[in-house]
Amino acid sequence: NAGVTQTPKFRVLKTGQSMTLLCAQDMNHEYMYWYRQDPGMGLRLIHYSVGEGTTAKGEVPDGYNVSRLKKQNFLLGLESAAPSQTSVYFCASKLGSYTGELFFGEGSRLTVL
Amino acid sequence: GENVEQHPSTLSVQEGDSAVIKCTYSDSASNYFPWYKQELGKGPQLIIDIRSNVGEKKDQRIAVTLNKTAKHFSLHITETQPEDSAVYFCAATLMGVTGGGNKLTFGTGTQLKVEL
Repeated sequence: NAGVTQTPKFRVLKTGQSMTLLCAQDMNHEYMYWYRQDPGMGLRLIHYSVGEGTTAKGEVPDGYNVSRLKKQNFLLGLESAAPSQTSVYFCASKLGSYTGELFFGEGSRLTVL
Repeated sequence: GENVEQHPSTLSVQEGDSAVIKCTYSDSASNYFPWYKQELGKGPQLIIDIRSNVGEKKDQRIAVTLNKTAKHFSLHITETQPEDSAVYFCAATLMGVTGGGNKLTFGTGTQLKVEL
């Protein structure tokens, strides 16, 4: 059982480049989330989805876009990367609105030069 | 929106001692308070959670207490072991409302170091 898988695990970008992070879960979870983790700031929510075809903004959505075309996948896109987007990105999922536990991927470390 | 403050940011204890991490939250509507442990290079993992209708919950060496009136909750780890060394995050949310996303707001984390 793979759980939540993120690809790629590491990426270096130049300012202005674009990229997509892929999150895949095999637990048939309805809810999926993208967080970023920065030193001293904990985990901050970027975007989330409560089901296939739906997305919504979180706390820090600027500069990011997301899509959930299939229930098992949640994509995070950076259209024009900036150094301020250097961070570790975590995808998480959970079964539904009445379950609490979030299952996290192992993270994707992005560096923007 | 919800705001969660967590203290201390770093905590060093001797093996076998107890460790306590404290969090406060701002939104009185929040009803679900989980604690996550993050080991180096890994994603956070749920270790214990508590709902607002319960004042205390225990699971072997870890326990969580909740004071709704004061809007704070704490993680207690007894008989600490080297493998308890990690970053711990508290979080809060209003759960059970469909469509709202049940968005967890996390504290800033506590680096716990258990020394031999």
